[in-house]
Amino acid sequence: EAGVAQSPRYKIIEKRQSVAFWCNPISGHATLYWYQQILGQGPKLLIQFQNNGVVDDSQLPKDRFSAERLKGVDSTLKIQPAKLEDSAVYLCASSSPRSYGYTFGSGTRLTVV
Amino acid sequence: KQEVTQIPAALSVPEGENLVLNCSFTDSAIYNLQWFRQDPGKGLTSLLLIQSSQREQTSGRLNASLDKSSGRSTLYIAASQPGDSATYLCAASNDYKLSFGAGTTVTVRA
Repeated sequence: EAGVAQSPRYKIIEKRQSVAFWCNPISGHATLYWYQQILGQGPKLLIQFQNNGVVDDSQLPKDRFSAERLKGVDSTLKIQPAKLEDSAVYLCASSSPRSYGYTFGSGTRLTVV
Repeated sequence: KQEVTQIPAALSVPEGENLVLNCSFTDSAIYNLQWFRQDPGKGLTSLLLIQSSQREQTSGRLNASLDKSSGRSTLYIAASQPGDSATYLCAASNDYKLSFGAGTTVTVRA
């Protein structure tokens, strides 16, 4: 099966600019996650979707971060405006109750200067 | 809230030595525990998934054990190779949410 696709792979922006990341999960996986991984730390959950509904966004900084999953397939994560501390790798993952495990994409490395 | 801890944070061994990576978690009501490998600048690659009802899983030179009652999992890598150099992350699943440790960075010296 095809893996989780993410784009872009790398992005460099200036602080206060906006940026968007895209994720296409494994076909048939109803649950989609966005994680933020700061250098030297484990990934931290930002938002979890079940189909196109939000299950958990308790750790999403909603004043600057937004995410959507239209039609329960692809998802977009946006940051506006970006801060220096947003520099991190943004990982998308999907899962299915049948497989139990989580499959991660290659991630997008964001550098805010 | 699930807290996951990995010790040690870094490990350096000569080629051929066996590796033992430790993971502990605070909430034993997990659905499963998953071990991942992460190469520098890359995403996460799943290595082993242990369901809550299982005690261990094996894949090639890798073996992972799970002791829910004590909140521990151990990843064993036999006969390490330089290609095993990477960061290894464990993640505990509760209510379809993954909580990660900070990882153990392994260096295998040729």
